[in-house]
Amino acid sequence: DSGVTQTPKHLITATGQRVTLRCSPRSGDLSVYWYQQSLDQGLQFLIQYYNGEERAKGNILERFSAQQFPDLHSELNLSSLELGDSALYFCASSVEGGRTEAFFGQGTRLTVV
Amino acid sequence: DQQVKQNSPSLSVQEGRISILNCDYTNSMFDYFLWYKKYPAEGPTFLISISSIKDKNEDGRFTVFLNKSAKHLSLHIVPSQPGDSAVYFCAAQITGSARQLTFGSGTQLTVLP
Repeated sequence: DSGVTQTPKHLITATGQRVTLRCSPRSGDLSVYWYQQSLDQGLQFLIQYYNGEERAKGNILERFSAQQFPDLHSELNLSSLELGDSALYFCASSVEGGRTEAFFGQGTRLTVV
Repeated sequence: DQQVKQNSPSLSVQEGRISILNCDYTNSMFDYFLWYKKYPAEGPTFLISISSIKDKNEDGRFTVFLNKSAKHLSLHIVPSQPGDSAVYFCAAQITGSARQLTFGSGTQLTVLP
C-alpha cells in the first residue's frame, strides 16, 4: 500500500459528460501529480500541485483541470469527454526537497462510451 | 518527441538468470533516474533510482547502471524470480524543476519458472 488513495477505481461514462477523479496523497506529502496512461503507452504527465498551488503543467488538455484543496487532496476534472480520453489516470505524491521518488495510487480506469 | 525510450516492449528470461532492461534518454538536463515496477490493476511502485553523479546503484537483487555519455541506463535483476514478472518503467527527472517524471513506455518482463 503506497498510502496514496484514488477514487473511484473504475468509471464508465458517455461522451460529452464530465467526471471528477479524486486523490488523497500520502500523509505529509505536499506535492500531487496527475498522470495519464493510455493503452500500451507510458505514463504522460498532466499537472502538478504543490501545497495548493499549480506548480507545473504537462500535456493537459484545456478540457481538463485540477485543483488541490487545503487538506491537500486533489481532484482532476475531465469535461466534454471523448472516446480518446479513455485511459488509466494515476495520482502520485511526494515530499518536497531533495531527490525523492513519487508514490502512486492504484489509478482510476476511465472508460468513455 | 519521446525523451525517454524503452525500445523493448517485452522480455522473457528463465528463473535464476539475469534480466537486463534498457532505457535511453535524449534530454541532457535529466539528472535523476528511476525505475518503477507495475503489476496489473496496481499503480507503479518505486524500485530503485540513480543520480547522474553516479554510474551504479545497487539494492539487493536490483542494480541500475547509468552511462551518461551514451544517455543510457539499464536495470539488472539477478537472480530473476517469477514474482518479478511485471511491467518495468524507466523514468527521468530534472531535480531543479517541479520534479515531474518523464516515463518510458515500459517493458513487460516475464520470468519463466
